[in-house]
Amino acid sequence: SAVISQKPSRDICQRGTSLTIQCQVDSQVTMMFWYRQQPGQSLTLIATANQGSEATYESGFVIDKFPISRPNLTFSTLTVSNMSPEDSSIYLCSALLTGTAGEAQYFGPGTRLLVL
Amino acid sequence: DAKTTQPNSMESNEEEPVHLPCNHSTISGTDYIHWYRQLPSQGPEYVIHGLTSNVNNRMASLAIAEDRKSSTLILHRATLRDAAVYYCILRDGGSQGNLIFGKGTKLSVKP
Repeated sequence: SAVISQKPSRDICQRGTSLTIQCQVDSQVTMMFWYRQQPGQSLTLIATANQGSEATYESGFVIDKFPISRPNLTFSTLTVSNMSPEDSSIYLCSALLTGTAGEAQYFGPGTRLLVL
Repeated sequence: DAKTTQPNSMESNEEEPVHLPCNHSTISGTDYIHWYRQLPSQGPEYVIHGLTSNVNNRMASLAIAEDRKSSTLILHRATLRDAAVYYCILRDGGSQGNLIFGKGTKLSVKP
C-alpha cells in the first residue's frame, strides 16, 4: 500500500481565480492520476501524469484549464484555472503501485473545492 | 475497459455476511476484476482484485464465476464501518491504464 496526501484538504475560492492542489506519495511511482468527483457522482478521470512526459488528458479536459506538473516520482500538482462555480468538486489524486498482490491504485483523501 | 453492472444500493445487518454482485458479460481474457470502496468523505480504497480464481484477503473475498461474466464481493461479517459505495471495475492487465469508475453499489449497514 501507499500513503498519499493532498494539500489543501479543502478551499473556498472566488470565480476567476486559480488553485493549485498538491499530491505527495510516500514511495516512488511512475503513474499518477487526477480525478474529479462532483457531488453525489462517481469519479471521472481528468488526466494521467507520468514523470518525464506531458500529462495525457481525457475527453472534456484541457491543459489550459487543468495544467498538471509531475516534477519527480513522488509528487504532482493539479491547477484548476480561471475557476467558475461549475468547478466546485472533490479533486482526487491517485498512484499506481505494484505489490505482492499485483497492481492497484491508491487514492489520496481528496481536495474539496467550492467556487463562489 | 469493459463495462460492469451493479445494483444501485444494498442493505445489510451488522455482523451478517454481505454478497455484493457484479455483472461483466463483455469481460475479455486479460481483464482483471478490481473492487474498490469509498467511505463517506474519503478517497476510494482498494479492496481486492482477481483474474480467474477466487481470492481472499483480510478485507474480503472475491468469488469469480467460472465463465468470468460475473463476480461477487463477499464481506464475511459486516460492520457499521463497511457502509460505503463499492465499485466493481475491470482493468486490462496488459495495460497500465487508469480505473474507469461506474456508479457502484451503495451499501448500508444497519445495527
